[in-house]
Amino acid sequence: AQRVTQPEKLLSVFKGAPVELKCNYSYSGSPELFWYVQYSRQRLQLLLRHISRESIKGFTADLNKGETSFHLKKPFAQEEDSAMYYCALRGIQGAQKLVFGQGTRLTINP
Amino acid sequence: NAGVMQNPRHLVRRRGQEARLRCSPMKGHSHVYWYRQLPEEGLKFMVYLQKENIIDESGMPKERFSAEFPKEGPSILRIQQVVRGDSAAYFCASSGGEGTEAFFGQGTRLTVV
Repeated sequence: AQRVTQPEKLLSVFKGAPVELKCNYSYSGSPELFWYVQYSRQRLQLLLRHISRESIKGFTADLNKGETSFHLKKPFAQEEDSAMYYCALRGIQGAQKLVFGQGTRLTINP
Repeated sequence: NAGVMQNPRHLVRRRGQEARLRCSPMKGHSHVYWYRQLPEEGLKFMVYLQKENIIDESGMPKERFSAEFPKEGPSILRIQQVVRGDSAAYFCASSGGEGTEAFFGQGTRLTVV
């Protein structure tokens, strides 16, 4: 079964502190992993995909197949990072649907 | 490019009425996906359509729910005889093809009273 778990519903850190949003998955194959972000009053938008291996807005995420994790990290949080973050997976072949985690609400305190 | 457009943004229906949610994909996109988000939960896949075809409806409830994506016009998610449990945010996404990025609309918030 495909499943994405984000263990933290809420995460609060101070500005300038490191932030890590956890994501674990289960999938019997090779998935694509994504992080989506939803800022206040805006639509859901793609932040990162593991295939591209890039850093967006200072965020990075590494796929760890051994631990089946895809944690999102940023060394120095900024107030504008406050948002809802969703981890998602998609099978490489076959089904095109995204399977989402429950989301983590990140709040950056000044 | 206006992006994925969903309307209405908010919809209130009484129990037993029908709800019609519309989704216009991004220009040039022929793949549409519908997701539902219940309160305090993540987005759950409902159905994947290409023009005039349902490709994957594994997430659709067996009764009262249907979806279409006609040759002309928007994709429609239709919920018949709505019940309180149908209250949720319904999101549409579109993509240009398999394996490409899916872009999301702003969602329709359905409230059943």
